[in-house]
Amino acid sequence: DAKTTQPPSMDCAEGRAANLPCNHSTISGNEYVYWYRQIHSQGPQYIIHGLKNNETNEMASLIITEDRKSSTLILPHATLRDTAVYYCIVFYGGSQGNLIFGKGTKLSVKP
Amino acid sequence: GAVVSQHPSWVICKSGTSVKIECRSLDFQATTMFWYRQFPKQSLMLMATSNEGSKATYEQGVEKDKFLINHASLTLSTLTVTSAHPEDSSFYICSAGYGGDWTEAFFGQGTRLTVV
Repeated sequence: DAKTTQPPSMDCAEGRAANLPCNHSTISGNEYVYWYRQIHSQGPQYIIHGLKNNETNEMASLIITEDRKSSTLILPHATLRDTAVYYCIVFYGGSQGNLIFGKGTKLSVKP
Repeated sequence: GAVVSQHPSWVICKSGTSVKIECRSLDFQATTMFWYRQFPKQSLMLMATSNEGSKATYEQGVEKDKFLINHASLTLSTLTVTSAHPEDSSFYICSAGYGGDWTEAFFGQGTRLTVV
């Protein structure tokens, strides 16, 4: 079972920041927080991941609380092309890569 | 980033026939690949782990004789849906990791299977 809880859906105005929350209260000390998104009828796309510190890349920022029990993915300037299902996944890498997907958040960016 | 390619992107087959789906890592070697299935409006469900040179590991409830997985090389894994039925119609997706520590998993574009 997925170890994360996300709201089923969210709306965001185009050009505004989209903040997607995720709860992972049972995360282990060596597990990372990963975010993927899936645009309709495509394979999932990697966005960002982090362990303890906040992370930023060209796509998004990831804010992880100090107790690591929750995190927020931030898309700073959402566009219509960001409309997708966003999955938050806790994962320990090593030799395994079988990501367990929860239900995700359907983000709808509106003009 | 690394590229994982699936073929075909979509396929329609008659009930009772078999369909093969290919998953290739184009610019890196993948000793392990994963196969997922996704029904409409649902999340991805892991079906099996494909290991190069050895038998695949199937998740509980997935019939290994129906979903044949072959991982004959470090860049190719295949999923064959045998004796397909309409209930096998789904979106099938593979993934492969880049780097030994699985920092990032890359997904194929998926294959839409429709059994009529």
